[in-house]
Amino acid sequence: QLQLQESGPGLVKPSETLSLTCTVSGGSINRSTYYWTWIRQPPGKGLEWIGSIYYSGSTWYKPSLKGRINISVDTSRNQYSLKLNSATAADTAVYYCVRRGFDPSFDNWGQGTLVTVSS
Amino acid sequence: QSALTQPPSASGSPGQSVTISCTGTNSDVGGQNYVSWYQQYPGKAPKLMIYEVSKRPSGVPDRFSGSKSDNTASLTVSGLQAEDEADYYCCSYAVSRTYFVFGTGTKITVL
Repeated sequence: QLQLQESGPGLVKPSETLSLTCTVSGGSINRSTYYWTWIRQPPGKGLEWIGSIYYSGSTWYKPSLKGRINISVDTSRNQYSLKLNSATAADTAVYYCVRRGFDPSFDNWGQGTLVTVSS
Repeated sequence: QSALTQPPSASGSPGQSVTISCTGTNSDVGGQNYVSWYQQYPGKAPKLMIYEVSKRPSGVPDRFSGSKSDNTASLTVSGLQAEDEADYYCCSYAVSRTYFVFGTGTKITVL
């Protein structure tokens, strides 16, 4: 059974880089039929797709985050990572790592991790 | 890429049906049949309920159904049960195939 698990600091200072890693278990990140995605949800608000990566390294980002966001994949560790530069309070959210299929829909979610941007 | 528009709330009594809408544009909802719906309980990760407008993943009850007309997609929950009380989000793939946009979310209350 596929499982995704987010890890990383729960507190980030303003202007610093928010970094998270998603570890995929129970399946290979190398599968050509899936994309690996980050979705976030500010406290009390809705869901926001922020970016996806294919095992080959191809990426797609939310247009308003381009220039601040980088998603990378490490197939040897079955992990992928998110880096969001120049973090502000607006980046405070629960961050989910999610598998996206070719359909395209988000069919497998991590439990989520809260990241707070505050001094 | 503005969020898709959903009503903030909807409600129904047990056994009744409730339908929630999700309105976008020709660049997303209206441009192709790639709308999905997610159910989220408080403090939990969302769960996929509908994909490609009207398809149900294995294990999702057939009380949940989806449809689309022009730029508006809809989710209908028939035979409401207490466990259906949750937040529901629609999501659309952009026609450009470069991004996704979620709806604003609807809280379904079972009276």
